[in-house]
Amino acid sequence: EAGVVQSPRYKIIEKKQPVAFWCNPISGHNTLYWYLQNLGQGPELLIRYENEEAVDDSQLPKDRFSAERLKGVDSTLKIQPAELGDSAVYLCASSRGQGQPRGTDTQYFGPGTRLTVL
Amino acid sequence: AQKITQTQPGMFVQEKEAVTLDCTYDTSDQSYGLFWYKQPSSGEMIFLIYQGSYDEQNATEGRYSLNFQKARKSANLVISASQLGDSAMYFCAMRDDTGRRALTFGSGTRLQVQP
Repeated sequence: EAGVVQSPRYKIIEKKQPVAFWCNPISGHNTLYWYLQNLGQGPELLIRYENEEAVDDSQLPKDRFSAERLKGVDSTLKIQPAELGDSAVYLCASSRGQGQPRGTDTQYFGPGTRLTVL
Repeated sequence: AQKITQTQPGMFVQEKEAVTLDCTYDTSDQSYGLFWYKQPSSGEMIFLIYQGSYDEQNATEGRYSLNFQKARKSANLVISASQLGDSAMYFCAMRDDTGRRALTFGSGTRLQVQP
């Protein structure tokens, strides 16, 4: 079974430029998550999708961040315009989704995209 | 609100020895899950082990076991027979089963296995 795929793995941009990250979850996983990981810290949730619906985006800075999950499979996270403080690793994760018995909705992560804003 | 505390920023262990990584948590939820992930230098978060709040027995997965003490709100990871490939960051995380279902992570422990 293929894991969560993310691209690009690394991205360097100038501040005020736009940037987009792509994620392909594990086949059959209905729930998709985007996390932000700052250096030396644990990941923090940005947004969670159940199929096509964003059910938790309370931590997403909506003035500059946007996300979409068309057709309930792939997802794209966008930043426009990027700021110096956005330099971090952006992790995508997926799980089977709600309705699963407790303990089986484990989140599996992709390799992440390391963003550097100059 | 949920909170995970990992008090060991770094740990050293000799190859083939066992090591315990500490994790304490705080939550008002009755139903929750506790997870451990490994993050090597490549960056990917690798799922290691899960413990449900209602599970009476400690979880085990190969060389990994989770020492779950509910009254103390601790969920320590025990790695037996350490290998050089175990050198990585280790994160403890919690998920509430009924609410946001997002993972709340601790700050991590960097484990270095010495030959």
